[in-house]
This record gives sequence, structure tokens and C-alpha cells, in this order.
Amino acid sequence: GAVVSQHPSWVICKSGTSVKIECRSLDFQATTMFWYRQFPKQSLMLMATSNEGSKATYEQGVEKDKFLINHASLTLSTLTVTSAHPEDSSFYICSALVVAKNIQYFGAGTRLSVL
Amino acid sequence: KQEVTQIPAALSVPEGENLVLNCSFTDSAIYNLQWFRQDPGKGLTSLLLIQSSQREQTSGRLNASLDKSSGRSTLYIAASQPGDSATYLCPERGDQGGSEKLVFGKGTKLTVNP
Repeated sequence: GAVVSQHPSWVICKSGTSVKIECRSLDFQATTMFWYRQFPKQSLMLMATSNEGSKATYEQGVEKDKFLINHASLTLSTLTVTSAHPEDSSFYICSALVVAKNIQYFGAGTRLSVL
Repeated sequence: KQEVTQIPAALSVPEGENLVLNCSFTDSAIYNLQWFRQDPGKGLTSLLLIQSSQREQTSGRLNASLDKSSGRSTLYIAASQPGDSATYLCPERGDQGGSEKLVFGKGTKLTVNP
């Protein structure tokens, strides 16, 4: 199956700093990628849909100025958590859509801890 | 509003048992259904994909069925092994304006004891 690489897998940062998470499709092009967030023992919640060459579409309640998404190429989407706070500590997972197969492939996730 | 319910929420079985995980969804116009497993602290691994025109899919010891009329899908695991221990997810999806969003429930946490 298709491979999605997510980096870093784990990051610790100080409150107020910004953190960038990368999501790459390694062997296919993805015009659409998705970013999810998962708090402990909770469901994955879709944050936004990342569209190559255009602005991301954010879900209700997700601050677009805090969670900056850039999808400048067909194989890379980035999520930047700006001015991170402890409540942003969570597990962030990306996925990439293979349109031809109608399947989403997921990255391994990034655990963010904000001190 | 799309919603996914998975029953049971947790399941603990001895190794070798056959088991069934249940998933119900609200959107009868479901496009397709993809079953995943998530290991603790990890991302999601795709297990099976059932297109809306199909009734079931099989992969090794796994068999998934889809009943659109009742809004249900089941995942059957034969001869369970400790390595099957994970949380199993069956997010609902629909074709909304060309984008493919997934709505997740809390999943079924499976523990297979040696």
C-alpha cells in the first residue's frame, strides 16, 4: 500500500513557541491530505482538509490562524501549531487520499507535548 | 450529523477465539467503509476497504461485511492472536462536495490474551 511519512514522531516544546509537523506521501501524489487530532482515550477528530495549491478547509471550532496548513506540493503538507500552549498537547495524525482507490493512508502520528 | 457507534467499546478474549466487532453508522448513502487498527500511540493501519457496491471483503483472518440498508458493518477476526490487540476503527465517510472526510467513533479496544 501507499506510504505516508509524518515527521517528527514526537516533539516537546515550550509554551509560546511554534511547532511544524510534516506529512509526506512517499510513493504517490496527494492533492488532498487531512489533519486529525486525538486526545487521550478520545476519537480522532478532523481538524482540516489540506488542498494542494489552495487554502485549507478548517472544521468548525478549529482556529485557522493557530493551526497553519501549507500544501505547496503534491507530496507535502505541513501543519504549524503557532504559539503552542499546554492545551495543544495532543496526538496529531495526517492522512493522504489516493483518489483512484478512494482510500486514505495515515501517517504514524506526532505526539506534541507543550510544557 | 454523521455519527459512528462501535460495539463493544472493549473486548478481552483468550488467544484462538473467533470474534466479531460491530460498527453502525448514520449515513445510509455511505460511499465506502474502511476498517483500521490503531496500536497505542501509533497511527492508523488500513485493514479492509468495502466499496458501497460490495457486501464483504476478506484479507487473511479478517472478513468485513457491509449492510447499507441497516447501516451496519462487522469485522470478523478468526483465530485471534495477541498481535491482534489494538483499537479497531470503522470511520464513516461520505462524498461531500468532492472531499472525503472521515468521521471516527471511539473504536473497539481489543485485547487478546496469550
